[in-house]
Amino acid sequence: SQTIHQWPATLVQPVGSPLSLECTVEGTSNPNLYWYRQAAGRGLQLLFYSVGIGQISSEVPQNLSASRPQDRQFILSSKKLLLSDSGFYLCAWSGWEQDTQYFGPGTRLTVL
Amino acid sequence: GDSVTQMEGPVTLSEEAFLTINCTYTATGYPSLFWYVQYPGEGLQLLLKATKADDKGSNKGFEATYRKETTSFHLEKGSVQVSDSAVYFCALNTNAGKSTFGDGTTLTVKP
Repeated sequence: SQTIHQWPATLVQPVGSPLSLECTVEGTSNPNLYWYRQAAGRGLQLLFYSVGIGQISSEVPQNLSASRPQDRQFILSSKKLLLSDSGFYLCAWSGWEQDTQYFGPGTRLTVL
Repeated sequence: GDSVTQMEGPVTLSEEAFLTINCTYTATGYPSLFWYVQYPGEGLQLLLKATKADDKGSNKGFEATYRKETTSFHLEKGSVQVSDSAVYFCALNTNAGKSTFGDGTTLTVKP
């Protein structure tokens, strides 16, 4: 069966510090991968999606970036965090059906 | 572009009450429709889906019917439980791989 992992689960970082969040998927090949952000009490904002290694599409201009160094690994990064980067970050994947998305447990990021 | 509009929350019900959460959509083409559920502190889980008009998705006592004529996919449950307290997201997918989500509706069920 397929599983998706995210780490860390929680993170508290000072403004201006770098960020690296990691997401990995097991049990499937060539998944579509997604990064979402969910602000407190808000809906989901799609940040990045990837259809293959090295192929990243950005949905919202911001100080975040994403990379996909391996087929089932998706990394969200920032060189300098802003207060507005605080939120709940969710990674998701979709398979050959491509319509259903499967979400990881999320990372709670607080920027102080 | 594609969009999903959900009934605004929060919704508070007593245990065993009937639940309806409205969802309407705008899409080009023929979307698949979904309800996802998010329990506190967790990621989203697929609750149910429907892929064509008049299909009914169902799971854990929840149901939703794909109504193309009214572009709706309302979520219903006949008797809610405290454990159903969560945030519910309606979503659609027309461009294989990318989904459009509603803003979510928070449901609280009181004993």
